[in-house]
Amino acid sequence: LAKTTQPISMDSYEGQEVNITCSHNNIATNDYITWYQQFPSQGPRFIIQGYKTKVTNEVASLFIPADRKSSTLSLPRVSLSDTAVYYCLVEYGNTGKLIFGQGTTLQVKP
Amino acid sequence: SQTIHQWPATLVQPVGSPLSLECTVEGTSNPNLYWYRQAAGRGLQLLFYSVGIGQISSEVPQNLSASRPQDRQFILSSKKLLLSDSGFYLCAWSVEGGGQPQHFGDGTRLSIL
Repeated sequence: LAKTTQPISMDSYEGQEVNITCSHNNIATNDYITWYQQFPSQGPRFIIQGYKTKVTNEVASLFIPADRKSSTLSLPRVSLSDTAVYYCLVEYGNTGKLIFGQGTTLQVKP
Repeated sequence: SQTIHQWPATLVQPVGSPLSLECTVEGTSNPNLYWYRQAAGRGLQLLFYSVGIGQISSEVPQNLSASRPQDRQFILSSKKLLLSDSGFYLCAWSVEGGGQPQHFGDGTRLSIL
């Protein structure tokens, strides 16, 4: 059964690096992992997408180990404005299913 | 650049009334289109997706339906709303093909009384 799992919540302080891990045991060879950020009463916003190893853009990095059964979103030096819910999405190509994780609520404290 | 529009932003409807939510995308052709529902404090549940005009795939059985009458128009409908249909409805688009990032609209907050 395809499933995408992530922690429900995390706390951090301004200036720290935050790492959020998503588990996707049934990921297939050609499936991509995508992360989104959502603020209250808004649609999710695309952060980063990866397939394997490491991807970095101006806001985050995505680390994917060789077995691809998990992935880690890394937010460098978070600020108060990074307080939001972060979602992991995997498209399971072998079933055609798009499955979001339940979301990780990140609370950044001053 | 591409943009996605959803309306209305908020909607209050009585139980048993019909529903029509509209989503349009601009600046791209033949996008994949998606409807999601998000219950309060919960994650996103995929309801429908479409890879082309008239092509609709349903992910969960329910009293909602979707239609794609034009390439960049996606409509979510119901003939008779239930209390359990309350939630935050989100439309999204992606470039055609698999493994492409989705881009979301601002959502419609639907309350059923």
